[in-house]
Amino acid sequence: EVQLVQPGAEVKKPGESLKISCRTSGYIFINHWVGWVRQLPGKGLEWMGIMYPHDSDVRYGPSFKGRVTISADKSISTAYLQLNSLEASDTAMYYCARGYYDALTGLSHSNFDKWGQGTLVTVSS
Amino acid sequence: DIVMTQSPDSLAVSLGERATINCKSSQSVLYSATNKNYLAWYQQKPGQPPKLLIYWASTRESGVPDRFSGSGSGTDFTLNINSLQAEDVAVYYCQQYYGSPDTFGQGTKVELK
Repeated sequence: EVQLVQPGAEVKKPGESLKISCRTSGYIFINHWVGWVRQLPGKGLEWMGIMYPHDSDVRYGPSFKGRVTISADKSISTAYLQLNSLEASDTAMYYCARGYYDALTGLSHSNFDKWGQGTLVTVSS
Repeated sequence: DIVMTQSPDSLAVSLGERATINCKSSQSVLYSATNKNYLAWYQQKPGQPPKLLIYWASTRESGVPDRFSGSGSGTDFTLNINSLQAEDVAVYYCQQYYGSPDTFGQGTKVELK
């Protein structure tokens, strides 16, 4: 069974950094893009970025460039999201998700077929 | 960046009726080399992560009921939910994965009339 496991919640102060883990299992980690999506309270989905663990190719959303780092530890099939200089407006749910792998072509794409349950991040002084 | 615009923002549909959601991209998401539209649809229920319904604009994800169907090409796409069930009440998002950064539509809330 494919699983993406995230911590349930994090509480941070303004100015601090956040690092969320996404521990995966049940599939070949390096074959799939892994992405991060943010959802502000009561709002829509915001694409933060993705990483292809096979070659460490990383892409970031423009709203987060310079403040976010996506990384992975292939040895433990875990992806990470780091967000620096936190502000109260970063209070949100953060999801990791797995990119779809097309077995016919051997290519992975960045539509997300499996999602973690999300990490609720609260930034407050 | 490719901007995705959904319409309507919300709609109320009676049980058993059809719900239609539109998604328009600011540029084509059809990749000519493969003739595939890099367009996906997701369903999100309260307190849950999104769930992939449709990819390549019209391919239903495994396990998704066949009352869900996607259509369209280029810049204009549609998600239809035939014979709406109570469990279909949710917010629906389109996503283009043609060009980085990927982008989502703003979401369409489907409610029962």
